[in-house]
Amino acid sequence: DVKVTQSSRYLVKRTGEKVFLECVQDMDHENMFWYRQDPGLGLRLIYFSYDVKMKEKGDIPEGYSVSREKKERFSLILESASTNQTSMYLCASWTGNQPQHFGDGTRLSIL
Amino acid sequence: GENVEQHPSTLSVQEGDSAVIKCTYSDSASNYFPWYKQELGKRPQLIIDIRSNVGEKKDQRIAVTLNKTAKHFSLHITETQPEDSAVYFCAASGTYKYIFGTGTRLKVLA
Repeated sequence: DVKVTQSSRYLVKRTGEKVFLECVQDMDHENMFWYRQDPGLGLRLIYFSYDVKMKEKGDIPEGYSVSREKKERFSLILESASTNQTSMYLCASWTGNQPQHFGDGTRLSIL
Repeated sequence: GENVEQHPSTLSVQEGDSAVIKCTYSDSASNYFPWYKQELGKRPQLIIDIRSNVGEKKDQRIAVTLNKTAKHFSLHITETQPEDSAVYFCAASGTYKYIFGTGTRLKVLA
């Protein structure tokens, strides 16, 4: 069974801090994704990666960056956290023609 | 760009009635169509999927239909129960892309 693990379920940070969200998958999937989900809204794609050291912007990349140094790990970075980045962040991994598998999410609060 | 439209955005049904959620996709290269259920505070989880060489698939009270010509696919839930209340997402996927619909909040009224 595919397991996608996000390092924190809940995280509280202050405005201006640099924030790292970590995601690890154990199925050797090529593709990994970071989504943001706000109350009442769907999944909005921030960034995705289709290979080590490769990244592509999604629909809402502003204020975020990513890092994929190893195939199993995909990190989301908030360069200078702001209150409007308070949200639920979901990581997913995928190999073609199969379902995406999600982590349990990180509920991030920026104070 | 490619997108997936999902309707309705909210759906309320009486317990025991059927619920239908519809999606339309634009990318002709899509060949895999999963459906996810997301309960409050939890991650989206796959509940059923269908591939482009199949027109219909059923798993107990849940079924999915696909019309490739019209680029439509639908989720059907029969004999709804309160535990079916959740947000449901469709998606359309090809070899290199995976696009989600905007979600449907289903409420099953007891």
